[in-house]
Amino acid sequence: QKEVEQNSGPLSVPEGAIASLNCTYSDRGSQSFFWYRQYSGKSPELIMFIYSNGDKEDGRFTAQLNKASQYVSLLIRDSQPSDSATYLCAVNSSASKIIFGSGTRLSIRP
Amino acid sequence: DTAVSQTPKYLVTQMGNDKSIKCEQNLGHDTMYWYKQDSKKFLKIMFSYNNKELIINETVPNRFSPKSPDKAHLNLHINSLELGDSAVYFCASSHQGSGANVLTFGAGSRLTVL
Repeated sequence: QKEVEQNSGPLSVPEGAIASLNCTYSDRGSQSFFWYRQYSGKSPELIMFIYSNGDKEDGRFTAQLNKASQYVSLLIRDSQPSDSATYLCAVNSSASKIIFGSGTRLSIRP
Repeated sequence: DTAVSQTPKYLVTQMGNDKSIKCEQNLGHDTMYWYKQDSKKFLKIMFSYNNKELIINETVPNRFSPKSPDKAHLNLHINSLELGDSAVYFCASSHQGSGANVLTFGAGSRLTVL
């Protein structure tokens, strides 16, 4: 079992719709959880992080964490073509290592 | 500009050569990392240093040797390069005491081994 799992996609969503990205992790002792966005040929950049169960909202982005189910998700409301990128889920594990999933490619179609 | 900067941005070299990548951060962070991103975009941690001390050393061939002369610098030296070393190498930094441990990445160094 991979430590952090994501569907590779591509996930295609029409402009203006909600994009839903999912991630599961295996280490129950993981402490904090991150979503990074990576455009082609660029470095990953942080969208948001979460460490408490529930929802955390920042503008059009909402991160959701369920530690019992070992599940993290990212919702993007009112999707824009500029949201087309690879989204990386990352977990700060119990060994204090930040481990990344393989990323989900998101494509927003106009 | 406050940032994580790494050089060179591109490296093209022959198998068997030795090469180095340098990284510097001026964010005042105490922890620095090297990650390798392969052609499938999987970002894998290689090394981490906290205040010049090696704290994470993943299963990486000993041809890879990191060096941290001070907490603002972390370099990566690779001996006897192999085809499989071709990848993008990202340096990153964070402040471990900040709770969430958010990574700030450099722009990446694309290594191509021929």
